[in-house]
Amino acid sequence: GQNIDQPTEMTATEGAIVQINCTYQTSGFNGLFWYQQHAGEAPTFLSYNVLDGLEEKGRFSSFLSRSKGYSYLLLKELQMKDSASYLCAVRDGGRGSTLGRLYFGRGTQLTVWP
Amino acid sequence: GAGVSQSPSNKVTEKGKDVELRCDPISGHTALYWYRQRLGQGLEFLIYFQGNSAPDKSGLPSDRFSAERTGESVSTLTIQRTQQEDSAVYLCASSSSGGPYEQYFGPGTRLTVT
Repeated sequence: GQNIDQPTEMTATEGAIVQINCTYQTSGFNGLFWYQQHAGEAPTFLSYNVLDGLEEKGRFSSFLSRSKGYSYLLLKELQMKDSASYLCAVRDGGRGSTLGRLYFGRGTQLTVWP
Repeated sequence: GAGVSQSPSNKVTEKGKDVELRCDPISGHTALYWYRQRLGQGLEFLIYFQGNSAPDKSGLPSDRFSAERTGESVSTLTIQRTQQEDSAVYLCASSSSGGPYEQYFGPGTRLTVT
């Protein structure tokens, strides 16, 4: 089966750095995604990793180790508006011409305190 | 062009009634996904359409659920004989055939079964 694990909740203070971990076990792998979801809103795309290493995009970075089935999302210079749920998702290998479906973790609720 | 749109935004229905939810993907996006998100829970995959390939229906929870897609445009998710446990936000997402294929989500339809 497919298994995506991430912590349920995390808290941090404004200006700090927080790392949200995600471990996965899937039958195939064709990329790992991080999404941000504010309460009552749809998820929005943050980052994508398909090769090992770190991808940096402004205050957000995402890391992937395929051999360890592990990723993390790093948020720097935290702001109050970063309070949201962060979803880790893994795409399987797909079939033929299909892209493959995403398997989502349950999300990590991050609360940023002033 | 415009993002993914869904209608209705809210739907309240009586147990046992049928409901139809609509999704308009981003123009040109070949892949379309339906998810269900119960309150405080992660995203639950329902069904995935990719071009002319047979849809991946592996996430549909019962035969009361079905979905159709017209070419590479509009999709409808139908729930027959609704039950209270069907109450959730139903999210639609689409992705293109180029790049990392990140999914763009619509605002969702909040379904309440009374």
